[in-house]
Amino acid sequence: DTGVSQDPRHKITKRGQNVTFRCDPISEHNRLYWYRQTLGQGPEFLTYFQNEAQLEKSRLLSDRFSAERPKGSFSTLEIQRTEQGDSAMYLCASSPWTENTEAFFGQGTRLTVV
Amino acid sequence: AQTVTQSQPEMSVQEAETVTLSCTYDTSENNYYLFWYKQPPSRQMILVIRQEAYKQQNATENRFSVNFQKAAKSFSLKISDSQLGDTAMYFCAFMKRGYGNKLVFGAGTILRVKS
Repeated sequence: DTGVSQDPRHKITKRGQNVTFRCDPISEHNRLYWYRQTLGQGPEFLTYFQNEAQLEKSRLLSDRFSAERPKGSFSTLEIQRTEQGDSAMYLCASSPWTENTEAFFGQGTRLTVV
Repeated sequence: AQTVTQSQPEMSVQEAETVTLSCTYDTSENNYYLFWYKQPPSRQMILVIRQEAYKQQNATENRFSVNFQKAAKSFSLKISDSQLGDTAMYFCAFMKRGYGNKLVFGAGTILRVKS
């Protein structure tokens, strides 16, 4: 297992287009998280899954954002009708289902909306 | 809601010297964890060190140690014998105990180690 994998690494899209990102967590990790990181800021929590169930969504996750984790394996994050303010690094992390364990992060998908 | 504040946007240190990164946080929780994560340029974030709030003893991991002051809500990171590979963005993060593993991050401190 090579860790958390995210695809694509970079995405440039025109305003108004839809984009979808994929995250493959470390196998057997029950929990999967999405964070957004803008320039000069720390990551901000967007949502998390325990297996296939989406257990929490941040208020940052507007109705243009949707995340799925079918069958509790990989996850996708879709942004519809992208806006320039969506430009950011989108980070995925996974962890086992125990309380005091570190989250393992992917390298992120950098989105630029032009 | 919890907040994490890192008041030093950038720091520099000479190779082999010691540097301390500051972090304060605000919470009404009594049980929680604190972390320092390192994000090297163009690479993924990795855990440097963690501290359980119920433990009074400060955590250490090789050249990395923390000064955890629970009453003051302060959690600083000390890096001894700094190496060029320590150059990175460092994030302080908070996690409530028993609430998933959702992390609340500070804005980060860029650390540059100079030769």
